[in-house]
Amino acid sequence: QQKVQQSPESLIVPEGGMASLNCTFSDRNSQYFWWYRQHSGEGPKALMSIFSNGDKKEGRFTAHLNKASLHVSLHIKDSQPSDSALYFCAGGVGAKLTFGGGTRLTVRP
Amino acid sequence: DPKIIQKPKYLVAVTGSEKILICEQYLGHNAMYWYRQSAKKPLEFMFSYSYQKLMDNQTASSRFQPQSSKKNHLDLQITALKPDDSATYFCASSQDRQRLFFGHGTKLSVL
Repeated sequence: QQKVQQSPESLIVPEGGMASLNCTFSDRNSQYFWWYRQHSGEGPKALMSIFSNGDKKEGRFTAHLNKASLHVSLHIKDSQPSDSALYFCAGGVGAKLTFGGGTRLTVRP
Repeated sequence: DPKIIQKPKYLVAVTGSEKILICEQYLGHNAMYWYRQSAKKPLEFMFSYSYQKLMDNQTASSRFQPQSSKKNHLDLQITALKPDDSATYFCASSQDRQRLFFGHGTKLSVL
């Protein structure tokens, strides 16, 4: 069964700062990786996916994947108070997506 | 305009009772899922269905039974409720195992 280690559990960054989140997966059959964000009282929403080694940039968000170490990271540049939320990484084998334990990001104005 | 409708939003039940959580999706997706979120396990996969057939079941207890009457419905019946079942239950859908779209959840409290 897939195990996902996500760190840190919580993170506080100043407005305009950089936030960095990390995950390591255990199942080498994992085919695809996602980052999800959940604001209070809502369901998680997909931020971005990454399937290939290297970086993928979408606006202020950059995901990085190292398939050899099964490590994914998310970097949020120029963090905004509206980025304050619970962030989850997720990795999939077949139809099942396994989520990390979450990182609670707080962006201080 | 929510595309995944979960009912009810809040649910209070007594220990030993039975409840049904409703989920309908209007995204035209071919796969539906149930996830559970609690303080102990932030987002835990429970079931996946594709074209109304069970694909994967990670829930150990038979007290949790998904029910799919139509291809865009996936309800969750929970019997013999226990306080440990208290959690927010999220329904989700996807097309061809791609991005998951989640509903707003049903928050269940078992007293």
